Amino acid sequence: SQQGEEDPQALSIQEGENATMNCSYKTSINNLQWYRQNSGRGLVHLILIRSNEREKHSGRLRVTLDTSKKSSSLLITASRAADTASYFCATSYSGGGADGLTFGKGTHLIIQP
Amino acid sequence: DAGITQSPRHKVTETGTPVTLRCHQTENHRYMYWYRQDPGHGLRLIHYSYGVKDTDKGEVSDGYSVSRSKTEDFLLTLESATSSQTSVYFCAISGAGTSGSYEQYFGPGTRLTVT
Repeated sequence: SQQGEEDPQALSIQEGENATMNCSYKTSINNLQWYRQNSGRGLVHLILIRSNEREKHSGRLRVTLDTSKKSSSLLITASRAADTASYFCATSYSGGGADGLTFGKGTHLIIQP
Repeated sequence: DAGITQSPRHKVTETGTPVTLRCHQTENHRYMYWYRQDPGHGLRLIHYSYGVKDTDKGEVSDGYSVSRSKTEDFLLTLESATSSQTSVYFCAISGAGTSGSYEQYFGPGTRLTVT
């Protein structure tokens, strides 16, 4: 399996703090994506970073990609209770949509009020 | 869950029976996918489609078949359900992205229990 791996598996922080999650993968990629899943719901796309990009921002989210280390990180700043969810990284090898995504096992984030 | 529905949302079936799950989209996206989600495994790709009647296998395709006779519908069939196929099944779609990179949109999921 070419599955990515998130680290840590679980993270509990206080509201207002920053949360950082990491993802490692095994082979060359076209892009890496982050998704959020609230309990019992489907996945929601958060951000996509291409292999030729190093950093990307979207609102309170910051994603970095280091292709030499085959790793990515997701930073959520000024966390809120509503950010409590599982976060998954997913890699695409062709980028063309025809190969599906390879997901990691996820980081479960709990924001304590 | 923009424009994606899955049916049924919950199903309990017996070992050995055939089961069909339906994914319906209103976005006219070209690509459709079926994933299963199990504790400790994340999501794993079962099958995907890149057009009407064009499908291919994913990582965990054994015991599953798919069909896509219309752009909007993608069916997943368990030929003879087994307890190992107890899982939550997600359908996803993707269409044209910028610079050839495609994000996916997921349906709400179907919880299948095989007894």
